[in-house]
Amino acid sequence: EVQLVESGGGLVQPGGSLRLSCTASGFSFSTYPMNWVRQAPGKGLEWVSYISSTGSNIYYADSVKGRFTISRDNAKKSLYLQMNSLRAEDTAVYYCAREPDIRPNYYYGMDVWGQGTTVTASS
Amino acid sequence: EIVLTQSPATLSLSPGERATLSCRASQSVNTYLAWYQQKPGQPPRLLIYDASTRATGIPARFSGSGSGTDFTLTISSLQPEDFAVYYCQQRYNWPLTFGGGTKVEIK
Repeated sequence: EVQLVESGGGLVQPGGSLRLSCTASGFSFSTYPMNWVRQAPGKGLEWVSYISSTGSNIYYADSVKGRFTISRDNAKKSLYLQMNSLRAEDTAVYYCAREPDIRPNYYYGMDVWGQGTTVTASS
Repeated sequence: EIVLTQSPATLSLSPGERATLSCRASQSVNTYLAWYQQKPGQPPRLLIYDASTRATGIPARFSGSGSGTDFTLTISSLQPEDFAVYYCQQRYNWPLTFGGGTKVEIK
C-alpha cells in the first residue's frame, strides 16, 4: 500500500523548534518530489515547501523562508521539515504530499497525502 | 505570486444536482492546475490534474476544464459523499498557491 506517515508534531512555545518527519512506504520514494502543506485551524490549505527527488531543488513559501528547512533521506525513505523560530501563526496540521514527475511540462498534482501531524505554537 | 480566486465560497445544492465551481488565476497558469476535495478531519484528495485529467479512481461525474486563467470543476450529479470543500492549486510559478476553497453543502 502506498502510504505517507507524518510524525514529530506537538506543543511548542513561540520561538521554539520542532522537526517533522514523513516516512514513505509502498513506492519508490527516491523518484518523487515532495511537498509540505499546512492547514491552520478552520482555514484553507497553504503550501510550505518543495524538494525535488534528488534534493537539488528546494523552494519555500515566503512566510517560512529563513526559519524552516526541508530535507530528505532517500535511503531512509524519509522527508523532513526543520522548523525554527516558531510563531503562533505556524499553528497548523502539517501534511506531506507526493508529487509525481513523470514527464516535463506536465503537472500531475499531489497524488498521495499523509494524515498530517499537528503543530501548536503557544505559550 | 499567483493568486487563485475560487467562487462561490459556498454552494448549497441538493443531491442529484449539478455543481459548477470556478477558479480564476491572477495570471496565466497554462494547464498547471489541480483540484482537490477535502472532508473534515481528512487530508486533501486529488481529483483533477493538468486542469482536466481525472486522477486514478475518481468517478466520471467529476470533470475539469479551462486553461490560462479560468478553470471550472463540474460535478454532474452530486452524491451524498461529494459534500465537502474543494480547492484549486497552481504549479506554474513559485510559490505554489491554493485557492481559498469552495464549500459544497447540502441544501
